[in-house]
Amino acid sequence: KAGVTQTPRYLIKTRGQQVTLSCSPISGHRSVSWYQQTPGQGLQFLFEYFSETQRNKGNFPGRFSGRQFSNSRSEMNVSTLELGDSALYLCASSLAEWENEQFFGPGTRLTVL
Amino acid sequence: GESVGLHLPTLSVQEGDNSIINCAYSNSASDYFIWYKQESGKGPQFIIDIRSNMDKRQGQRVTVLLNKTVKHLSLQIAATQPGDSAVYFCAENIRGGKLIFGQGTELSVKP
Repeated sequence: KAGVTQTPRYLIKTRGQQVTLSCSPISGHRSVSWYQQTPGQGLQFLFEYFSETQRNKGNFPGRFSGRQFSNSRSEMNVSTLELGDSALYLCASSLAEWENEQFFGPGTRLTVL
Repeated sequence: GESVGLHLPTLSVQEGDNSIINCAYSNSASDYFIWYKQESGKGPQFIIDIRSNMDKRQGQRVTVLLNKTVKHLSLQIAATQPGDSAVYFCAENIRGGKLIFGQGTELSVKP
């Protein structure tokens, strides 16, 4: 069974631009969570989707948004990029609504110049 | 080798020794805890989990201990190997889909 895939793997943007990252969960998984990883703040929860609905949200500004499609694939969008948004963005999927074990993708490395 | 304190970012051990990585969690309502291993350039990889109704769980070469009284987790790795070199994170789950991660400990295994 294929793991969680994320595209693109690397991305370079400039301040003020917007970016969309994509995540394909493991087949059959319906919950998708997003995390931001930086050296200074570590791994921080962004949001989680289940059946196309956002269930949980972390403490990030409204510039960070996401959505989930009917096939469970998910996208996250960051608008008006800032230098501090440079990070590894990780997506994780889990099987069901109350399933705790999450499987992570390799991440998208975003660099904002 | 044993890490000292809850915020030691680096642990260096000799190959074949046992490693102990410690972690404090923040929320007494957390009911599920996971240890992840992250190698350079990769996403976190599940190692072992434990539910709050347990105080010990064993896997292959790994053991997780949970002390709810002091909100402390530890990961023990037996006979540490060079392939175990990575950053290890503990994570707590308060409700499905949201994990709160610790800062991580970098384990370095000397051959």
